[in-house]
Amino acid sequence: NAGVMQNPRHLVRRRGQEARLRCSPMKGHSHVYWYRQLPEEGLKFMVYLQKENIIDESGMPKERFSAEFPKEGPSILRIQQVVRGDSAAYFCASSPRQGLGEKLFFGSGTQLSVL
Amino acid sequence: DAKTTQPTSMDCAEGRAANLPCNHSTISGNEYVYWYRQIHSQGPQYIIHGLKNNETNEMASLIITEDRKSSTLILPHATLRDTAVYYCIVRPATSGTYKYIFGTGTRLKVLA
Repeated sequence: NAGVMQNPRHLVRRRGQEARLRCSPMKGHSHVYWYRQLPEEGLKFMVYLQKENIIDESGMPKERFSAEFPKEGPSILRIQQVVRGDSAAYFCASSPRQGLGEKLFFGSGTQLSVL
Repeated sequence: DAKTTQPTSMDCAEGRAANLPCNHSTISGNEYVYWYRQIHSQGPQYIIHGLKNNETNEMASLIITEDRKSSTLILPHATLRDTAVYYCIVRPATSGTYKYIFGTGTRLKVLA
C-alpha cells in the first residue's frame, strides 16, 4: 500500500506565476489535510477536505490560495500569482475516517521556491 | 493555538532512553494525545497516540498521567537516527474538523 504521494517534490516559480501542488492520499483514504511549513518554523494547518467538499479552510490565506479534492484524482493546492513569501514546504496528509482516534499519514512534501 | 507545551530542545546520549515531556493541562476527556516527529525536512512521521492508558509500540512508549494533564514520550534506546523535532499534539474536539495543530515541538539531538 503506497503512502501519501506528493508531486512535484520541488517546484520553482517566478513571482506572478501559478503553482499547482498535487497530493494523492493513501488508498482508501477520503480525508485530506494541507499544511505549510515556513523555514525554521512549525507546520501550520491550511485546509481540510473530503471528497468534493472543503470542510475547514480556516488556515488558508484569503486571496490567491485555493484547494480542491475532486471525486476522481488527487487533491490540488493552487497558488495564484505567487510571491516570495509563499516559498515554503507544503505537506499533505490523509486519513481513512474522521475521528478523534484517527491518525494522519503525511507525504514527503513539496518544496516551493519563488524567485 | 496549540494545546500543548514542550521544552524547546533536549540532548540525549546514544543508547540511553530519551524522555520527552509534554504538558496539556486543558485536555478534554475525549481528546487523544498524539506524538509525531519530523526528521530534517521530511514529512511528519507518526509515532504513537493514546487516550488514558499507557501505550507501547515498536517505536516508543507513551506515559499519560492519571489526571491526563501531561504525558511523556519514551524512546527506550535512542540512536543517532532519532535526532528530530518531536511534536506532541492534542486534537481539539470542539472544532469539529479534528485537525492537528502543531506547536513548536522539542528538538531532540542524540549525541554519539
